[in-house]
Amino acid sequence: QKEVEQDPGPLSVPEGAIVSLNCTYSNSAFQYFMWYRQYSRKGPELLMYTYSSGNKEDGRFTAQVDKSSKYISLFIRDSQPSDSATYLCAMRASGTYKYIFGTGTRLKVLA
Amino acid sequence: DAGITQSPRHKVTETGTPVTLRCHQTENHRYMYWYRQDPGHGLRLIHYSYGVKDTDKGEVSDGYSVSRSKTEDFLLTLESATSSQTSVYFCAISDPGQGTNTGELFFGEGSRLTVL
Repeated sequence: QKEVEQDPGPLSVPEGAIVSLNCTYSNSAFQYFMWYRQYSRKGPELLMYTYSSGNKEDGRFTAQVDKSSKYISLFIRDSQPSDSATYLCAMRASGTYKYIFGTGTRLKVLA
Repeated sequence: DAGITQSPRHKVTETGTPVTLRCHQTENHRYMYWYRQDPGHGLRLIHYSYGVKDTDKGEVSDGYSVSRSKTEDFLLTLESATSSQTSVYFCAISDPGQGTNTGELFFGEGSRLTVL
């Protein structure tokens, strides 16, 4: 079993929809959680960074961490065709700087 | 954008030849990483460095070696390339604990390697 699980998709939604992307993990030591967006043939770009449990909002993006369920989510409001990309979750434990990634979810927002 | 440059960006080589990929950063970040990205596997850590001459293995280190002789440069070497090492390689940097920086990981644009 992988330490971090992420549905690969693809996920297709109409423009303007609310998108929910999720990851589950098995290592209870993970404390730092990140979401990256990756366009085709580009490097991953950091979108959201969250420490421990709770919510964080940045514009149309909201990241949620539920450590009791070992579950993290990224919500995208008012999705746009430009949001079409692969979204990767990543996490690490305190005291270590090894980041573990999910396999990524491909998102397509249809105009 | 974080100042990370990878070279070469594209390379085609033959099985059994040595290959070196270079990562250069201008951010003076302490940590540097090499990941490979393959369909169905996501990003997997090959090796990382936590300072000059300080390196450690990741989850897929077999067949790879690294060196870091300067803060700004991190080299990944495939001593004898195999077809299973065909992949996209990403360098990343991080600098935990400086000011408001809490250790975010920043990536280069990738190096696409094909081993025939």
